[in-house]
Amino acid sequence: EDQVTQSPEALRLQEGESSSLNCSYTVSGLRGLFWYRQDPGKGPEFLFTLYSAGEEKEKERLKATLTKKESFLHITAPKPEDSATYLCAVQAAGGYQKVTFGTGTKLQVIP
Amino acid sequence: ETGVTQTPRHLVMGMTNKKSLKCEQHLGHNAMYWYKQSAKKPLELMFVYSLEERVENNSVPSRFSPECPNSSHLFLHLHTLQPEDSALYLCASSQDVGQGKNIQYFGAGTRLSVL
Repeated sequence: EDQVTQSPEALRLQEGESSSLNCSYTVSGLRGLFWYRQDPGKGPEFLFTLYSAGEEKEKERLKATLTKKESFLHITAPKPEDSATYLCAVQAAGGYQKVTFGTGTKLQVIP
Repeated sequence: ETGVTQTPRHLVMGMTNKKSLKCEQHLGHNAMYWYKQSAKKPLELMFVYSLEERVENNSVPSRFSPECPNSSHLFLHLHTLQPEDSALYLCASSQDVGQGKNIQYFGAGTRLSVL
């Protein structure tokens, strides 16, 4: 069974203090790994898809990386508006396979 | 605006009521999904439709009944719910369910409270 574990569960940073969120996964052949951002009272907002180990993607202060067992979401010099819950999800290869989500990391950036 | 619209945004219902959640996507996608999101739990996939055919039914109780009349609209009919069904219900769509086309775009959700 596919599994996704995110850590830490919550993270509090000072504005400008860079850090990383971790997503460890177990999947029978990775089709894709997804990162989403979710603000309170809203649905998840798509950020990145990574397909193979070694791949990296960037968007503003966010950078996602992928290995064969985990993905990191690096946040450089965060701002208060980066405060949100970040969700990681994986999809297995082969036919139709559902997307399995982690429980998320709740990030709070203090001014 | 994400291109996926859900109504209502909030719903309070008694255990004997019947209500429906509506989802509409404006992205030209072929696949639509219902998820349940409860506090401290990962998103739980409930139903998947591809070109109006159900391709996944994730052991969901029969008090939840989905309907997909076309590829742009998805409904979740609710009846005789339990208090533990209180949660955020999210609708999503993707271009397809196949390889490389499964990026799911979510609506804002319906916050359901069952009294």
